[in-house]
This record gives sequence, C-alpha cells and structure tokens, in this order.
Amino acid sequence: SQKIEQNSEALNIQEGKTATLTCNYTNYSPAYLQWYRQDPGRGPVFLLLIRENEKEKRKERLKVTFDTTLKQSLFHITASQPADSATYLCALDSRTFGIGTKLQVIP
Amino acid sequence: DVKVTQSSRYLVKRTGEKVFLECVQDMDHENMFWYRQDPGLGLRLIYFSYDVKMKEKGDIPEGYSVSREKKERFSLILESASTNQTSMYLCASTKVGGRYSYEQYFGPGTRLTVT
Repeated sequence: SQKIEQNSEALNIQEGKTATLTCNYTNYSPAYLQWYRQDPGRGPVFLLLIRENEKEKRKERLKVTFDTTLKQSLFHITASQPADSATYLCALDSRTFGIGTKLQVIP
Repeated sequence: DVKVTQSSRYLVKRTGEKVFLECVQDMDHENMFWYRQDPGLGLRLIYFSYDVKMKEKGDIPEGYSVSREKKERFSLILESASTNQTSMYLCASTKVGGRYSYEQYFGPGTRLTVT
C-alpha cells in the first residue's frame, strides 16, 4: 500500500527565512499531491495541489515542487512570518495523509 | 466560500452511549468523508460517501456507522462509545470533476472524549 512520510515532526526557523518541508512517498507515483495547513484544534485548510506533470506550483509566498523520480515533494514558505506557524500536512489522496510537520517561526 | 460545519466542537460522552456527529456542507459537494485524527497517527479515514445513501468503508470503520440521507449532510454514529474512540473527528467534502475536484474542505472538528 502507498505510504507517505513527512521527514520532520517539527521545524523551527527564524522569521524572514525560507522554510522547507519534505514529503516522501513509496510505491507508485500519485496523480497529484496536496498540501494543507492545520492550526491547533482546527481542521486542515487546503493550500496547494500539484499534479504529476507539474514540476512546480506557486501561490504567493508558497512554492511546491514534485519530483516523481525521487518520489518527493518539497513545500517552501519564503519570507516566513510568525503567522505561518502551524502544522503542515501533505496528502496523496483522501486516504493517505502524512502526520504533518509542525513549523514554528521565531520572531 | 465553502463551508463545512460540524454539530459540536467539544463532546463528552460515557462508555456505551450512542453518539451522533453531524456534518453539513453548503457547496453541493458530492463526496463527503469522516476522519479521526490522533497524535502520531495522523488523519485516518473512517467512512466516505460519494452520493446520497451510498457509503464506503475507509481504513478504520470498526465501531462506527454513517448515514447520508441528504446530499449536504453526513452523519457519523458511534454505536456504543468506547474510551479508545476518544479523538478529534473531522468531516470533509470534495467536489467531483473539474479543476478543483481533489481539494478537500474540512470542518472545524469535534473533540470527543469518552469517559
């Protein structure tokens, strides 16, 4: 069965720096991959979807890459702000979610 | 804006009680999902529904049932609550087809404690 791993449980970075979060999967390459943000005690909020034929997708300060050879997606937040502090989840489909990386942006 | 609402934010029930969690979405989405989320385990799919009166088991359906009598409403039922069902329960919905068909919209969650 497909497995998904987010390499870090927690990541601390300084305000203004670029945060990079990693999502790795096993087995077959998915048709798409999604990233969500989740604040404590709240439901996840959809951020970005990248399809298998797309190498990169951007939305404001967010950038997602998708490398089907490495079976990996990277999620970048540039010029990070304390308000970006949250847990970020990657998902391959409605059944397969990573456990998330908790990002803390330090002022 | 898509809105997915859940009937309660916090719920405390006793072991053996029958528990109903309700979810309503207002965007005419075909697919609806129930998950539970536990520390270190992430989101796990309990049941989903792709149409009224249709349901499919997810990865952890034991101890749960669902009901979808109307398109906008998807209920999760704990037939006889047990302490190992203490968790955060999340409902989600997606549209079928089109550019935005895979984006899941989640409700705020229900923190259920079974004592």
